[in-house]
Amino acid sequence: EPEVTQTPSHQVTQMGQEVILRCVPISNHLYFYWYRQILGQKVEFLVSFYNNEISEKSEIFDDQFSVERPDGSNFTLKIRSTKLEDSAMYFCASRGQISYNEQFFGPGTRLTVL
Amino acid sequence: QKEVEQDPGPLSVPEGAIVSLNCTYSNSAFQYFMWYRQYSRKGPELLMYTYSSGNKEDGRFTAQVDKSSKYISLFIRDSQPSDSATYLCAMSPWAGGFKTIFGAGTRLFVKA
Repeated sequence: EPEVTQTPSHQVTQMGQEVILRCVPISNHLYFYWYRQILGQKVEFLVSFYNNEISEKSEIFDDQFSVERPDGSNFTLKIRSTKLEDSAMYFCASRGQISYNEQFFGPGTRLTVL
Repeated sequence: QKEVEQDPGPLSVPEGAIVSLNCTYSNSAFQYFMWYRQYSRKGPELLMYTYSSGNKEDGRFTAQVDKSSKYISLFIRDSQPSDSATYLCAMSPWAGGFKTIFGAGTRLFVKA
């Protein structure tokens, strides 16, 4: 069964460093998302991406964040200068053209900022 | 008032019990309602989604939406230990899931 994959599973970084989180969505999906979940808190929408551009973004997704689909398979989230409060699980999700609300989530990347 | 409210639990039931999980919301623009299951240290997995008001059944799971009360429910019949997980409600104003808003999740334990 096709699935969304994410790498790395755990990333540890120093405050102020740049990190890139990688996702490989399901191959025929066209809509891509990033969410984050701070430990013990709710899943929060960050950004949606379609047709090589951002469709919508939340207040969390400020200038420190960017997304990119550098090739036909990867979808990345970059945090330019990490802060302690960026420590969270980051989930990538994708969906196809037909099932409007059927987002498939990856296993997540745990980001720890020291 | 939070957009989506969900009791975090934990909810502990014996195997075979009927489980009722609920969320309330304040934004009347929400039209699409989803339930996700999340196992520890895993990504959310979509269980069911419904559009507007009404019921939807899938095996042991039934989702209900009451837009007049801004209240949604997920029922699990004949609960199994493997159902032990966190259940997240989620909702969106538009088809496409843009800016989906999640509840905090309810932790469910089903005891054998």
